[in-house]
Amino acid sequence: EAGVTQFPSHSVIEKGQTVTLRCDPISGHDNLYWYRRVMGKEIKFLLHFVKESKQDESGMPNNRFLAERTGGTYSTLKVQPAELEDSGVYFCASSQEGGQGTYEQYFGPGTRLTVT
Amino acid sequence: TQLLEQSPQFLSIQEGENLTVYCNSSSVFSSLQWYRQEPGEGPVLLVTVVTGGEVKKLKRLTFQFGDARKDSSLHITAAQPGDTGLYLCAGVGATQGGSEKLVFGKGTKLTVNP
Repeated sequence: EAGVTQFPSHSVIEKGQTVTLRCDPISGHDNLYWYRRVMGKEIKFLLHFVKESKQDESGMPNNRFLAERTGGTYSTLKVQPAELEDSGVYFCASSQEGGQGTYEQYFGPGTRLTVT
Repeated sequence: TQLLEQSPQFLSIQEGENLTVYCNSSSVFSSLQWYRQEPGEGPVLLVTVVTGGEVKKLKRLTFQFGDARKDSSLHITAAQPGDTGLYLCAGVGATQGGSEKLVFGKGTKLTVNP
């Protein structure tokens, strides 16, 4: 079974440009999460999809970030226009809810975004 | 805002030594997870602790959840070079609309020297 995949693995763009990150979750996983780690900081939650619906987008930094999950399969995270502080590693994770309140989120390898 | 303070941030030890990593919060978590992350990869789940006071063992790794479900520890016995990596604790945070987002600590970068 394929794991969570993310594309691209690295992206270097200039301030003001647009970048779109893609995440393909594990097949059959309804839950899809986006996280971000900025250098020197902890991994932080951005948002959570259940199928194609946004369940929680409380972690999205501002309206320059737009996440979509059309059809409830893969997801994209667009940053437009990119700013220097958007640099970091963007992780995607997917999960199925486990029993007894526990669950496991499977993480992709991340996309390293550098804004210059 | 729920926060997890993880310590130490860096740890360099010799093969065969024991070590403990701590994860503390002022907030209660429904469960707490420990992950290990290798360079260029995403975090991989090691264990989930759910019940206050719970202790779980995974070979030479022992995980404990505090009685009040606010803190946790990871103890490694007789560390080996293969244990080198970034260890992350993560609490299952407050839900909003049913979301089970993770709240991460900053991580402990462990280096075990041969």
